[in-house]
Amino acid sequence: DQQVKQNSPSLSVQEGRISILNCDYTNSMFDYFLWYKKYPAEGPTFLISISSIKDKNEDGRFTVFLNKSAKHLSLHIVPSQPGDSAVYFCAASETSYDKVIFGPGTSLSVIP
Amino acid sequence: KAGVTQTPRYLIKTRGQQVTLSCSPISGHRSVSWYQQTPGQGLQFLFEYFSETQRNKGNFPGRFSGRQFSNSRSEMNVSTLELGDSALYLCASSSAGTGFSPLHFGNGTRLTVT
Repeated sequence: DQQVKQNSPSLSVQEGRISILNCDYTNSMFDYFLWYKKYPAEGPTFLISISSIKDKNEDGRFTVFLNKSAKHLSLHIVPSQPGDSAVYFCAASETSYDKVIFGPGTSLSVIP
Repeated sequence: KAGVTQTPRYLIKTRGQQVTLSCSPISGHRSVSWYQQTPGQGLQFLFEYFSETQRNKGNFPGRFSGRQFSNSRSEMNVSTLELGDSALYLCASSSAGTGFSPLHFGNGTRLTVT
């Protein structure tokens, strides 16, 4: 049972435009949500997080939106840059000491 | 501050053998988690150790085991290797203090089972 879903395996966006990556979850007990970025031959790197008490968190070009009623979150990247081309993983955890569950990832390609 | 270090980077083993992977967390981090990444499956959680105790466990068979030492370094062992165990194994550490602390990943060990 996949508790964290990323239904788009890949996404292509023109440089300078907005990239929107989506994530759905099934476990209503999740309290923390995170996004990670992964380049080939490297481990995932933490990008941005949001707790369930918020509906938006912003860090520079990256903004995460959380819709708890829909069990949906999204990552917006504005403006998109070629260096943003990577696999993006959505992840969630019930508590600060619980395991972190990852989605299958979305491969983003930003075209110059 | 040095990042998470995993050794070796690449490993080739034969079916039936066993393997041990090593992970050195970021200094001061007390929690170490292990994940398996295979194409199309994302990162599958194996287990997490905190202060030398297994605190969380995923849904992997008993052939997969781990341990953590007093200096927070961790090892993962897979016995009786199967072809399906070929994957990238990622280790991540976190400070696990009060409040949520994100995971910091190493670059992984690529295991190939032939």
